[in-house]
Amino acid sequence: DTAVSQTPKYLVTQMGNDKSIKCEQNLGHDTMYWYKQDSKKFLKIMFSYNNKELIINETVPNRFSPKSPDKAHLNLHINSLELGDSAVYFCASSQDPASSQEYEQYFGPGTRLTVT
Amino acid sequence: AQSVTQLDSQVPVFEEAPVELRCNYSSSVSVYLFWYVQYPNQGLQLLLKYLSGSTLVKGINGFEAEFNKSQTSFHLRKPSVHISDTAEYFCAVSEWGGGFKTIFGAGTRLFVKA
Repeated sequence: DTAVSQTPKYLVTQMGNDKSIKCEQNLGHDTMYWYKQDSKKFLKIMFSYNNKELIINETVPNRFSPKSPDKAHLNLHINSLELGDSAVYFCASSQDPASSQEYEQYFGPGTRLTVT
Repeated sequence: AQSVTQLDSQVPVFEEAPVELRCNYSSSVSVYLFWYVQYPNQGLQLLLKYLSGSTLVKGINGFEAEFNKSQTSFHLRKPSVHISDTAEYFCAVSEWGGGFKTIFGAGTRLFVKA
């Protein structure tokens, strides 16, 4: 069973379109994250949710809107896509750092977004 | 503010040779330290972590790392690498400060040659 899954794996779209990436985890974790990995492999946190509530919102354009319908899902919707949005987006999950000593994160396989 | 510096962007090494991937961090509070590995076209997976206690931690696939508080370092080592160790390696630092935050280094590409 896949612990953290993302769909789609690849996403090719044109500038100006709106797209969504879905993430699901079956680890029973309370905390989920979205990361962006650029072409130089640099990994940057975008959002963090704990029990469906937004905890961390780094400097990300408001065209990016995360949505957490329940603890096991954290989706990422992107409006008006731009060329600079091309990257690999990783979803991750962990136990709640405030109540657990297990701080490691479990990552999904990534979604490679290409904006043309 | 915290930062993580991985001093080498690429490390080429021959098979069965030892390797060290360097990581330094800056933080004003207690930190938790991690090494993750990313194989091509995959997500990151945990190699090892330091939370507290013994400064030498052992991880999967024969890797180990040593936490050095005075030098604010957490270097990753393996005594004998295999071709299959070719991957991107990320050092990460977590701390409490306005929430629990994790920052990743820029990554080190380990390339093992036959």
